[in-house]
Amino acid sequence: AQSVTQLGSHVSVSEGALVLLRCNYSSSVPPYLFWYVQYPNQGLQLLLKYTSAATLVKGINGFEAEFKKSETSFHLTKPSAHMSDAAEYFCAVTDPPGQNFVFGPGTRLSVLP
Amino acid sequence: KAGVTQTPRYLIKTRGQQVTLSCSPISGHRSVSWYQQTPGQGLQFLFEYFSETQRNKGNFPGRFSGRQFSNSRSEMNVSTLELGDSALYLCASSLRRTGQGRYGYTFGSGTRLTVV
Repeated sequence: AQSVTQLGSHVSVSEGALVLLRCNYSSSVPPYLFWYVQYPNQGLQLLLKYTSAATLVKGINGFEAEFKKSETSFHLTKPSAHMSDAAEYFCAVTDPPGQNFVFGPGTRLSVLP
Repeated sequence: KAGVTQTPRYLIKTRGQQVTLSCSPISGHRSVSWYQQTPGQGLQFLFEYFSETQRNKGNFPGRFSGRQFSNSRSEMNVSTLELGDSALYLCASSLRRTGQGRYGYTFGSGTRLTVV
């Protein structure tokens, strides 16, 4: 079965600093991968997704992620953090054939002034 | 276009009662999935409906049930509420069945259920 790990339940960065949120998955076949963001008392919003096209995926709000098959990773990055980026971020994976999403446990990002 | 609409946003119920939550998907989306989110367990899949049929079910007791109507709107019901059912319940819609992979979810804002 698919599983997703996110290293670091809480990450703090200074405003303007690089954001790096880690995601590793387990899969014997190339999966589809997603990053979602959740603001307090809101649902999840899709940031970006990898569906076996380009390995470097650009998303909304300046975020991007790179699929590395050899490392089974899909880390999320943003060159310069903004206060509005403070939220919880979830990595998710889905098999192609009829299985549902498996979400990681989430990483809470804090942005310090 | 309108997003995924969940009603009500907040709900307080007493142990032993039952509750019904509603979800209206994005127009044209035929797949509706439900998730329970709690601080301790994270996001847990409840079930998925597609074309009025339950296609997948998570590991929840039979007190949790759902249905989907011909217009793709969905409801989930929890009977005999327990304190541990307090959570944010999220509905997500998708153009195709979520197992078809490349179609990500669009989530609603959730219903915050508190059981006292």
